[in-house]
Amino acid sequence: SQQGEEDPQALSIQEGENATMNCSYKTSINNLQWYRQNSGRGLVHLILIRSNEREKHSGRLRVTLDTSKKSSSLLITASRAADTASYFCATASYQGAQKLVFGQGTRLTINP
Amino acid sequence: AAGVIQSPRHLIKEKRETATLKCYPIPRHDTVYWYQQGPGQDPQFLISFYEKMQSDKGSIPDRFSAQQFSDYHSELNMSSLELGDSALYFCASSLSGLRVNTEAFFGQGTRLTVV
Repeated sequence: SQQGEEDPQALSIQEGENATMNCSYKTSINNLQWYRQNSGRGLVHLILIRSNEREKHSGRLRVTLDTSKKSSSLLITASRAADTASYFCATASYQGAQKLVFGQGTRLTINP
Repeated sequence: AAGVIQSPRHLIKEKRETATLKCYPIPRHDTVYWYQQGPGQDPQFLISFYEKMQSDKGSIPDRFSAQQFSDYHSELNMSSLELGDSALYFCASSLSGLRVNTEAFFGQGTRLTVV
């Protein structure tokens, strides 16, 4: 990975349960974005959290950001079978770079 | 709402051939990014453009080149293709780059298979 680790690399839970995925990064960031990817498909933008924000919600998604620990978490509540996908965090840094740096991703499986 | 359009969706080429991938950003987006994703891997940044100028460069082989045109669409040219170039290639676009906290939206990708 260019940026850091996502934890866990794979997660399997029952439908209705909550799923938590973590992401760590290495550099100072401007923002962090979470994406979902179904197998072999495109990356779907889920949520953006700015470096001066600590928590953000969107529907069943809750994202936290701890810049002191250089980490973020994505919580999906009341999971559904359709949430089965890989989830990636990606960071945009202050250092003038025009790129998102991706973590390794968590493969989430929701069992019906 | 219009999304990022990539073409073609699938491409099969032989070794040493050339491929051109195209990306049409979301209307009014001025920044384009290219990524390569191998099987089971995270997306790897290749190159980005802002207002038709190259903005940043990642692990893009010398055999690859890219540009952004006056209408903001972008093309990734890949020459002397190797088996290892087989991957999903994604294009993304955003408005005014990433420093102003704008989301980057990705296309569906082009699956390139080199045989």
